[in-house]
Amino acid sequence: DAKTTQPTSMDCAEGRAANLPCNHSTISGNEYVYWYRQIHSQGPQYIIHGLKNNETNEMASLIITEDRKSSTLILPHATLRDTAVYYCIVRVTDNAGNNRKLIWGLGTSLAVNP
Amino acid sequence: SAVISQKPSRDICQRGTSLTIQCQVDSQVTMMFWYRQQPGQSLTLIATANQGSEATYESGFVIDKFPISRPNLTFSTLTVSNMSPEDSSIYLCSVSSGLAYEQYFGPGTRLTVT
Repeated sequence: DAKTTQPTSMDCAEGRAANLPCNHSTISGNEYVYWYRQIHSQGPQYIIHGLKNNETNEMASLIITEDRKSSTLILPHATLRDTAVYYCIVRVTDNAGNNRKLIWGLGTSLAVNP
Repeated sequence: SAVISQKPSRDICQRGTSLTIQCQVDSQVTMMFWYRQQPGQSLTLIATANQGSEATYESGFVIDKFPISRPNLTFSTLTVSNMSPEDSSIYLCSVSSGLAYEQYFGPGTRLTVT
């Protein structure tokens, strides 16, 4: 199973871009990279996912390197409400070939400061 | 995205008793999952709740301890049986549908066993 490595914690000033890195050097060709976040005392929230190309939605942008061994989640204008734990996850294919299980690490605790 | 509710939101239970947690979704979904998040830890998948058949349990989790029901495509229950203080945790329900397999989470049930 592909594993991910993220910094334990990061700080970001309010209004600035938050760039959260993730290493997944053992990722397979058909495994997607998913990003979730968990605000304190809430359930995790889906942010974005990608395979090879960069992706953007209303919440964030996902930049995946050409070799797919790492990615960066970008929050373009961080607000205090973006303070959360951010999880980078590689989607695992089970033995039946069905992509279903997410392996959760400890994530990056992002603190957005005023 | 689906709207997911869980009941109860929190409970304090005595050792040796059992608690059933309900998960309700506002639309039909293909897959439902149950996770555990122990204090200060990341999420651990307990099992996949399968509609009309027995749940699929992850390594380290057994049906006798965590019986799961899924009578239809919008509802599931997780029972924590014969509880001990080590079962104190947040229990989360998540759902997934369609081809992309992103997961959406309920608010969680905070369980304390005394």
